[in-house]
Amino acid sequence: QSVLTQPPSASGTPGQRVTISCSGSSSNIGSNYVYWYQQLPGTAPKLLIYRNNQRPSGVPDRFSGSKSGTSASLAISGLRSEDEADYYCAAWDDSLSGHAVFGGGTQLTVL
Amino acid sequence: QVQLQESGPGLVKPSETLSLTCTVSGGSVSSGSYYWSWIRQPPGKGLEWIGYIYYSGSTNYNPSLKSRVTISVDTSKNQFSLKLSSVTAADTAVYYCATQLERRGGFDYWGQGTLVTVSS
Repeated sequence: QSVLTQPPSASGTPGQRVTISCSGSSSNIGSNYVYWYQQLPGTAPKLLIYRNNQRPSGVPDRFSGSKSGTSASLAISGLRSEDEADYYCAAWDDSLSGHAVFGGGTQLTVL
Repeated sequence: QVQLQESGPGLVKPSETLSLTCTVSGGSVSSGSYYWSWIRQPPGKGLEWIGYIYYSGSTNYNPSLKSRVTISVDTSKNQFSLKLSSVTAADTAVYYCATQLERRGGFDYWGQGTLVTVSS
């Protein structure tokens, strides 16, 4: 059971906008930055969003992140077939000297 | 750009110690620029952070694994390593090494991952 809660699946059609939620607590999302990772099938995860809403160089602006209180969201606009992947949220947790926690992952299907 | 490559046995017997190494290129484990982490992913499941080490030797481990984990650095080989003792089938996973630019930052660079199976 993951510390951060994500829906196990999400779907959308090409061109659509989809959002993936991530729920945590005051000791993690509520007091630290949120990060999002994209894991394409058979590959290592890739950092997609850092510090709640910042995109690393090379990540399309179709991907955006937001945070409010103890929850966060990843939005993907103009959905494309190559966006089909697993998406994980993550944050640092202040309990027990601080450690990284992940969501259980959301499998995104492009219909 | 930092590149990471995991290596080590793909099969470990129950109760033994899992040992993996991450070879770093494009960066130095002895610089203060990065924190060096291990993360694992059981087959078909989500990600679990194991811990990190800083160039100074300071470490931080996942509380759920702390009693069994040791992460160390070998500056002469530009590598860092993971040891996980008393393994069981629940430790079967793809193990990734990764870097962070900040102590509580995101995992910026990842290795390709290596599957370790715990079985007799």
